[in-house]
Amino acid sequence: DTEVTQTPKHLVMGMTNKKSLKCEQHMGHRAMYWYKQKAKKPPELMFVYSYEKLSINESVPSRFSPECPNSSLLNLHLHALQPEDSALYLCASSQGGGGGWPQHFGDGTRLSIL
Amino acid sequence: GENVEQHPSTLSVQEGDSAVIKCTYSDSASNYFPWYKQELGKRPQLIIDIRSNVGEKKDQRIAVTLNKTAKHFSLHITETQPEDSAVYFCAASRSRNDMRFGAGTRLTVKP
Repeated sequence: DTEVTQTPKHLVMGMTNKKSLKCEQHMGHRAMYWYKQKAKKPPELMFVYSYEKLSINESVPSRFSPECPNSSLLNLHLHALQPEDSALYLCASSQGGGGGWPQHFGDGTRLSIL
Repeated sequence: GENVEQHPSTLSVQEGDSAVIKCTYSDSASNYFPWYKQELGKRPQLIIDIRSNVGEKKDQRIAVTLNKTAKHFSLHITETQPEDSAVYFCAASRSRNDMRFGAGTRLTVKP
């Protein structure tokens, strides 16, 4: 069973649309992550939230806006995306806020930009 | 920043043989090294990990070795089975939890 739940599983949107990706975990983890994965490539870190605070932003364009409403939820707000943003977006969580904790991934949202 | 190199990019073995995947990292501050298995269309799944204060760890048919001096670590799978076929990613992270992945190895186990 997937302990990190992501919705929606698939999303198709136009370049002028605004949409949000959602991620939820109920393992009591204190760190949550967004990754982007293109086909046949490794996941690339986008954002890290530690204890509900943004701790890492890997120079991600402002058309991606993360939000952590509480320790169990993580959102990624999308606006004015480009075709090259089409990818699998993975959410992960880990027990601790520092390094050295195993990260557990959700099944991802497959995003297509028209 | 951290740079993780992974070899080989593809690996084909006969069922029952062993498979070895190697990774090197650049940042001596990295202290946590997980390995993930990703099947087609699925999420990455943690299969084993090792911390910098340990040289080797084993879990049934899977083992990982770490050489801190040389900054490389390896995944060993023994008695491979067709269900081991997948893409395997090594990764490294520091205390900031900014995990970097290697490029991946596509393992094919032929029955």
